Amino acid sequence: GENVEQHPSTLSVQEGDSAVIKCTYSDSASNYFPWYKQELGKGPQLIIDIRSNVGEKKDQRIAVTLNKTAKHFSLHITETQPEDSAVYFCAAGGGADGLTFGKGTHLIIQP
Amino acid sequence: NAGVTQTPKFQVLKTGQSMTLQCAQDMNHEYMSWYRQDPGMGLRLIHYSVGAGITDQGEVPNGYNVSRSTTEDFPLRLLSAAPSQTSVYFCASSLRTGGTTEAFFGQGTRLTVV
Repeated sequence: GENVEQHPSTLSVQEGDSAVIKCTYSDSASNYFPWYKQELGKGPQLIIDIRSNVGEKKDQRIAVTLNKTAKHFSLHITETQPEDSAVYFCAAGGGADGLTFGKGTHLIIQP
Repeated sequence: NAGVTQTPKFQVLKTGQSMTLQCAQDMNHEYMSWYRQDPGMGLRLIHYSVGAGITDQGEVPNGYNVSRSTTEDFPLRLLSAAPSQTSVYFCASSLRTGGTTEAFFGQGTRLTVV
C-alpha cells in the first residue's frame, strides 16, 4: 500500500517569513495530493490540492509543487501570519481505498 | 449547510462496553470513511464505503464494525471497547472515490476508554 512521509514534525517561523513542508510518497499509481489544515479541536480542512498532471499550483499565499519522478511534493506558505498556526497534513491517493496521510507538521508562527 | 455531522463530540467508556459513533452527511456524497487520529500517527483509515450497502476495511479495522444502509449515514460500532481504542475519530465524505477528490471531515469524536 501507499506510504507517505512528512517532514518536519514541528516547524517554527517568524511572522512574515516563509514556511515549507515536504512529503514523499511510495506508490507511483497515486495521482491526487491534497493538503489539509487542522486547527485545535476541529476536523482537517482542505487548503490546496494538486493532481499528477500538474507540477505547481498556487492560491494566494500558499502553493504546492509536485515532482512525480522523485515522488515528492511540498507545501509553501509565504508571508506567514498568526492564523497560519495549525497542524498541516499532506496526503496521497488515487484509488477506492481512500487517502493515505502523513503524520502531520505542527506549524508555529512566532510574533 | 451542515456538511458532515458527528455525534457525540466526547465519550468516556469502560473497557468492554460497546457504543456507536454516528456520522451523517447532507451532500449526497457516495464515498464515506472513518479515520482515527493518535498523537504522532496522523490519520489512519479504519473502514470506508463506496456507496450504500458496500463497505470495506482500511488500515486499522480490528475492533470496529460499520454499515451503510443509506447514502447519508455511516455509523462506526465499537463492539467491546479497549484502552487502545482511546483516540479522536473523524468521519469524512467525498463526492467520488475517496482517494481522488476532496474529503470533507466532521468535527471529530474524542473517545476515552478507561
